Amino acid sequence: NAGVTQTPKFRVLKTGQSMTLLCAQDMNHEYMYWYRQDPGMGLRLIHYSVGEGTTAKGEVPDGYNVSRLKKQNFLLGLESAAPSQTSVYFCASSYLMGDLTFGAGSRLTVL
Amino acid sequence: AQSVTQLGSHVSVSEGALVLLRCNYSSSVPPYLFWYVQYPNQGLQLLLKYTTGATLVKGINGFEAEFKKSETSFHLTKPSAHMSDAAEYFCAVSDLPEGAAGNKLTFGGGTRVLVKP
Repeated sequence: NAGVTQTPKFRVLKTGQSMTLLCAQDMNHEYMYWYRQDPGMGLRLIHYSVGEGTTAKGEVPDGYNVSRLKKQNFLLGLESAAPSQTSVYFCASSYLMGDLTFGAGSRLTVL
Repeated sequence: AQSVTQLGSHVSVSEGALVLLRCNYSSSVPPYLFWYVQYPNQGLQLLLKYTTGATLVKGINGFEAEFKKSETSFHLTKPSAHMSDAAEYFCAVSDLPEGAAGNKLTFGGGTRVLVKP
């Protein structure tokens, strides 16, 4: 009964480095999302996917790329990390739109 | 565009006292409204949601919220706070019917609840 699993849980990067966050869900959900959480700003949608092979931009997509090659996985990539991308990243998935199941989060620090 | 405003980034209540968290939204169409709770170092969990029908919605852990269209509000309440209610609470809105492609949630900034013994 894993739900939504995010890896890694913590990561420290230097400016300009690249990395990928992995999200895996075992609930056969069609929809998957990446949010970032910053103090006082709630959660903001970065990218989302409505099915395998599809992706779309959210509210704050700049500096991020995503892929959904398999239905159960949704990858978030940072090609050239910047300090402004220091945040906690949450992946979520849903069957019915709006009833999201969240992962535990990935804390990223960019120095 | 839809938006959510949560009044008060921090709320302190005594154990046993009423918990009231305020949420106002803006939406161009009838909204779907949600409250999520986040415990320390965890992801968000759905507390309750309003889609259609009864405007008073009951959720888990004794929480409830009332949708008031005239006031564009969806305030969250709990009659008697418990120490375990200490967490951050997020109000969210979506403006498309469930199942519509491209539907996304817009979250408020969150309200952190501190419960005093």
